[in-house]
Amino acid sequence: DAEITQSPRHKITETGRQVTLACHQTWNHNNMFWYRQDLGHGLRLIHYSYGVQDTNKGEVSDGYSVSRSNTEDLPLTLESAASSQTSVYFCASKEGTGELFFGEGSRLTVL
Amino acid sequence: GEDVEQSLFLSVREGDSSVINCTYTDSSSTYLYWYKQEPGAGLQLLTYIFSNMDMKQDQRLTVLLNKKDKHLSLRIADTQTGDSAIYFCAETGGADGLTFGKGTHLIIQP
Repeated sequence: DAEITQSPRHKITETGRQVTLACHQTWNHNNMFWYRQDLGHGLRLIHYSYGVQDTNKGEVSDGYSVSRSNTEDLPLTLESAASSQTSVYFCASKEGTGELFFGEGSRLTVL
Repeated sequence: GEDVEQSLFLSVREGDSSVINCTYTDSSSTYLYWYKQEPGAGLQLLTYIFSNMDMKQDQRLTVLLNKKDKHLSLRIADTQTGDSAIYFCAETGGADGLTFGKGTHLIIQP
């Protein structure tokens, strides 16, 4: 079955370190998204991509970057992790106006 | 701008009906969605409704849409302990995928 997977599921890092969260989907969807989920804020969009070599900033993009070198993967990079980036991160994908499928989430703690 | 509002918590007794409400602002939304998030998991699509519909029923779930008031509701009949989760309302219409509400924590009392 097609799926969307995130790794790592849990990570603890220190302030200032670079962190990359992986997202891989096997549906061949063009549209991929990264959200962060925080209590009291719900889900907020970080970055999104409509296809290979396309990336766009979302609502809370400062401190994050993404790259799309192929259809299946959209890694999210924190160039210099900050405590404010402690959160649960969700990757999602969809095709056109179809259903948005979510990964299981990556819990990141920045100490 | 786009904004989706919903209450943060709802507590109901097991066996009663749960009604989760949502208001949205983007009148151009083609679809409106309800997602369910169980503890430690990602969001899963529960149901959706086309913007030209008033109601959609799927087993214990009933979605009502009032386009004039931009109000969406999700009714869960005969609420069970397995329904305990966070329920997110979401709308389309923008170029950036879906816009989500903050989520309603459904708490089931025995």
